Amino acid sequence: DGGITQSPKYLFRKEGQNVTLSCEQNLNHDAMYWYRQDPGQGLRLIYYSQIVNDFQKGDIAEGYSVSREKKESFPLTVTSAQKNPTAFYLCASSMRPFDRGTEAFFGQGTRLTVV
Amino acid sequence: QKEVEQNSGPLSVPEGAIASLNCTYSDRGSQSFFWYRQYSGKSPELIMSIYSNGDKEDGRFTAQLNKASQYVSLLIRDSQPSDSATYLCAVRARQLTFGSGTQLTVLP
Repeated sequence: DGGITQSPKYLFRKEGQNVTLSCEQNLNHDAMYWYRQDPGQGLRLIYYSQIVNDFQKGDIAEGYSVSREKKESFPLTVTSAQKNPTAFYLCASSMRPFDRGTEAFFGQGTRLTVV
Repeated sequence: QKEVEQNSGPLSVPEGAIASLNCTYSDRGSQSFFWYRQYSGKSPELIMSIYSNGDKEDGRFTAQLNKASQYVSLLIRDSQPSDSATYLCAVRARQLTFGSGTQLTVLP
């Protein structure tokens, strides 16, 4: 089945710890995105990547890092510099970057909690 | 002004009624417009996309776009309890930007 797989579904982070969220897609999509969602709010863009080995900061990139070494994979690291990381993290992908008519599809999300 | 604004809700409609969800956006260069449905605790699911002025119908869903007014809406006809969810408007200009969502409850 084609789709976007995020893991783990739930993740707990201790203070001062870096954690990495996985996102893999087998849709042959060029573009991948990371969003953060806080309770009762919409999605805010953290990072996006239009092609392999290239990525751009979104609106709230501080405290996060990404890599795009393979087309299928776009992992997100939440660093200790992110002071309020508890949120629902969503990975998405689309066939092309920000072209008209390109629809974005989401993985199932990772719920990160600081303990 | 937020880039994408949705009516705050929550919105409640009786089963079988028409639910109307509204969204305005600020970037006149926006080219693509999407509606996503998000059930509690789940990820957003794409339900409609629209790119040209006018109406686009898909089953019980109709998306309406008016670029001059920078307005996009979603109508859900014959609303069902299973339509109860948060509906997110998304607009693509330089990025794909989401509104904060409108929570819809369809009462049996």
